[in-house]
Amino acid sequence: ETGVTQSPTHLIKTRGQQVTLRCSSQSGHNTVSWYQQALGQGPQFIFQYYREEENGRGNFPPRFSGLQFPNYSSELNVNALELDDSALYLCASSSPSGQFFGPGTRLTVL
Amino acid sequence: GENVEQHPSTLSVQEGDSAVIKCTYSDSASNYFPWYKQELGKGPQLIIDIRSNVGEKKDQRIAVTLNKTAKHFSLHITETQPEDSAVYFCAASPGQGAQKLVFGQGTRLTINP
Repeated sequence: ETGVTQSPTHLIKTRGQQVTLRCSSQSGHNTVSWYQQALGQGPQFIFQYYREEENGRGNFPPRFSGLQFPNYSSELNVNALELDDSALYLCASSSPSGQFFGPGTRLTVL
Repeated sequence: GENVEQHPSTLSVQEGDSAVIKCTYSDSASNYFPWYKQELGKGPQLIIDIRSNVGEKKDQRIAVTLNKTAKHFSLHITETQPEDSAVYFCAASPGQGAQKLVFGQGTRLTINP
């Protein structure tokens, strides 16, 4: 299975700014999860949305927030960017057969 | 919460040989264990998974084994090819595919021609 898309592919921001990342899940998948992957590490769970409601959250501060829309696409918003927020942000859409990841958005915070 | 440890961090094998990557997990409630392959500049790709009611699963050259008593699971790749070179991640989850995944630290596999 495939078909998860993310935009933009790359993004450069400065400390203190806000960013919005977007994800279109695979058709029919009503669950979307967001992960942060720092360089050389495994992805870390940020939160999950199911039918437009947050359905679980990892150990990330409230300045990380999200939305899911009726068509199951999703946004990740990060406020007050910090240097440590520089990472690859991955979106995954879920079906009973597994979680399928998009290509990610590479965020650099200067 | 769940903690997943993965070994080794790097692995280099000759083309045609086998590669084995091992993971341990801490939460006995975990019952879904996927493996992902991540190539440079791409998102993780699901290559195989196993659920706790199964001890082994095979898909062509790839197999995964699970020992629930010892809380460890392993990925086996046989007859390795250069295109198997990538970073591999194991993960654990308390539910089916829609639940959150806790990932290991990754193994960089290099296949030498």
